[in-house]
Amino acid sequence: EAGVTQSPTHLIKTRGQQATLRCSPISGHTSVYWYQQALGLGLQFLLWYDEGEERNRGNFPPRFSGRQFPNYSSELNVNALELEDSALYLCASSLGLGQNSYEQYFGPGTRLTVT
Amino acid sequence: GEDVEQSLFLSVREGDSSVINCTYTDSSSTYLYWYKQEPGAGLQLLTYIFSNMDMKQDQRLTVLLNKKDKHLSLRIADTQTGDSAIYFCAESATSGTYKYIFGTGTRLKVLA
Repeated sequence: EAGVTQSPTHLIKTRGQQATLRCSPISGHTSVYWYQQALGLGLQFLLWYDEGEERNRGNFPPRFSGRQFPNYSSELNVNALELEDSALYLCASSLGLGQNSYEQYFGPGTRLTVT
Repeated sequence: GEDVEQSLFLSVREGDSSVINCTYTDSSSTYLYWYKQEPGAGLQLLTYIFSNMDMKQDQRLTVLLNKKDKHLSLRIADTQTGDSAIYFCAESATSGTYKYIFGTGTRLKVLA
């Protein structure tokens, strides 16, 4: 069974540009989560989508946004990139709401570098 | 506020046992998890424990939960160099608004 996949592996952008990161969950999972892991720091929760809707949002500015598609894949968009946005962005998936199972399975991440 | 805390570093010799500790603050947590992150990679779920259990064993891994003290530990028996990684504990709860909070991570270094 395929795990969570993310693309691209690496992304280099300049300040002020926009970045789009993609994630495909494990088959059968309807929830997708996004996390930011800056160098040397823990995981900061960004967004949670389930069944196409945004269910919860971490303490990040509105220029971090995303969406979930009907096939449960997801996109994270970061507008007006700042140097501090350089980080590893991790996507995870799990069974959805009401399934009584909340283990999250992670993808390998997208390394975003803003210069 | 809600917080999950871990010590930052742990160093052990190959073959010894490692014990990684975690404290959390939310008593409504339903599940508690341990994840492993190797350099440059995503997180790998190692094991999890339901909040009404106090121990779970899975091969070399033993999870102990002290719900009264809100303390979670992961014991790795016969630690190997391949166990060197960052270990994150996490808690989740479904009461009210969904919550899934990760600890700060403990960097385990195994010395040959």
